Amino acid sequence: DIQMTQSPSSLSASLGERVSLTCRASQDIGSSLNWLQQEPDGTIKRLIYATSSLDSGVPKRFSGSRSGSDYSLTISSLESEDFVDYYCLQYASSPTFGAGTKLELK
Amino acid sequence: QVQLKESGPGLVAPSQSLSITCTVSGFSLTGYGVNWVRQPPGKGLEWLGMIWGDGSTDYNSALKSRLSISKDNSKSQVFLKMNSLQTDDTARYYCATAYYKNWGQGTLVTVSA
Repeated sequence: DIQMTQSPSSLSASLGERVSLTCRASQDIGSSLNWLQQEPDGTIKRLIYATSSLDSGVPKRFSGSRSGSDYSLTISSLESEDFVDYYCLQYASSPTFGAGTKLELK
Repeated sequence: QVQLKESGPGLVAPSQSLSITCTVSGFSLTGYGVNWVRQPPGKGLEWLGMIWGDGSTDYNSALKSRLSISKDNSKSQVFLKMNSLQTDDTARYYCATAYYKNWGQGTLVTVSA
């Protein structure tokens, strides 16, 4: 199975700060990566699909990119509602998730 | 709009089987696949399997022997069945569309005597 190593596991940041989360794939997954956001009540929302495509209705402060086997989610200027959990998901083969990043308000 | 809603038993005894239903609206199961994903309390997400529009299935290899996914297109329902449950199967179980655009709210299943 393809392993997705997500970092950091937690991140403390301030309002307005720019942050990046990363997932490293253990094998080639091409562009087959999504970023998901999970609220404290369990609600899950897809933010980014196919590495860098923004889902409709998702604020433009979210963006996705790739450098080799490293995939990144960047939030350009943190807002209060962004302090939740984030997961990457590869679907190139049997789908696997990263372990998640908990974004906390400093 | 696309909606998915899971319904399950809430509590299952160890060694028993689990059946969860995902009822969808806003799209046809004949044309689109549905995934199952679970999340133990306080832990990360795990893909369980999916059923495609043509009825073919894919499963997590670690759980394949215990899982069965089926559907009733006419009722817009997808079914997850898992047998031989243990306490570490306690989790919130979600269904999601084929490329994870849309998710249900999940249903919590607790495995306990």
